[in-house]
Amino acid sequence: AQTVTQSQPEMSVQEAETVTLSCTYDTSESDYYLFWYKQPPSRQMILVIRQEAYKQQNATENRFSVNFQKAAKSFSLKISDSQLGDAAMYFCAYNTGANSKLTFGKGITLSVRP
Amino acid sequence: DAGVIQSPRHEVTEMGQEVTLRCKPISGHNSLFWYRQTMMRGLELLIYFNNNVPIDDSGMPEDRFSAKMPNASFSTLKIQPSEPRDSAVYFCASSQGGKGQPQHFGDGTRLSIL
Repeated sequence: AQTVTQSQPEMSVQEAETVTLSCTYDTSESDYYLFWYKQPPSRQMILVIRQEAYKQQNATENRFSVNFQKAAKSFSLKISDSQLGDAAMYFCAYNTGANSKLTFGKGITLSVRP
Repeated sequence: DAGVIQSPRHEVTEMGQEVTLRCKPISGHNSLFWYRQTMMRGLELLIYFNNNVPIDDSGMPEDRFSAKMPNASFSTLKIQPSEPRDSAVYFCASSQGGKGQPQHFGDGTRLSIL
C-alpha cells in the first residue's frame, strides 16, 4: 500500500525568508504523480504544485518549487520569499493507478512571522 | 469558471436527524470524490465515483453513510441517523479522471451534530 509521510507537524518561517516542507512516500510503482495542496484558515484546499515522477526536472510555480528525489522517495516543497498569506496547512499527496485517487499525508502547519 | 460547489456551507443538527450534503462538480470532470476531515483522523477518502459509478466506497465508515451520483453534475452524501462523532468538515472534489489529474476541491461543509 502506498503511504505518504509528513513527519514535521509544524514549522515556522520569518516573512521574506525561505522554508522547506518535507514529504516522503513509499511505493513500488514507477509511474506516479505527486502534489502539494495548501489549506488556509478559510479551509479551502488549493492545489499548489504537481510533479510527474517520470520528469527529472523539478516543478516550479512562482515562489513555490519542489525538490523531487525519486531514489530517496522524497518530495519537499520550497517556499521562497515567504508571505503572511502563505500561513496554512500544507498536504503532500500521491497518485498512481488508472484514476486520480489521491493518498494524502497528515499535513504540516506553517506559520509566518511578520 | 465555476469551481466545485458544495452546499450547505455549515450544518448544525441534532443527533438522529438525517443529513444530506450536496456537491456540484466542475463541468466536464468525470471523477468525483467525497472526503471527511477531522483533527484526529486528518483527511479521509470516503468514496469516489467515475462516470457517475461508485468505484471505491471502502472509506465509508458504516451503513449510516450513503452516497449517490444520479448524473454528471450532482452528487449527495447522506448520513442517517447522524451521530455526534460524525461532526467534521466534508469535502467534495472533482477531476478530469485518469492518472495524474489534479483534484479540485469545494469549500467544504462544516457539519456539527449536537
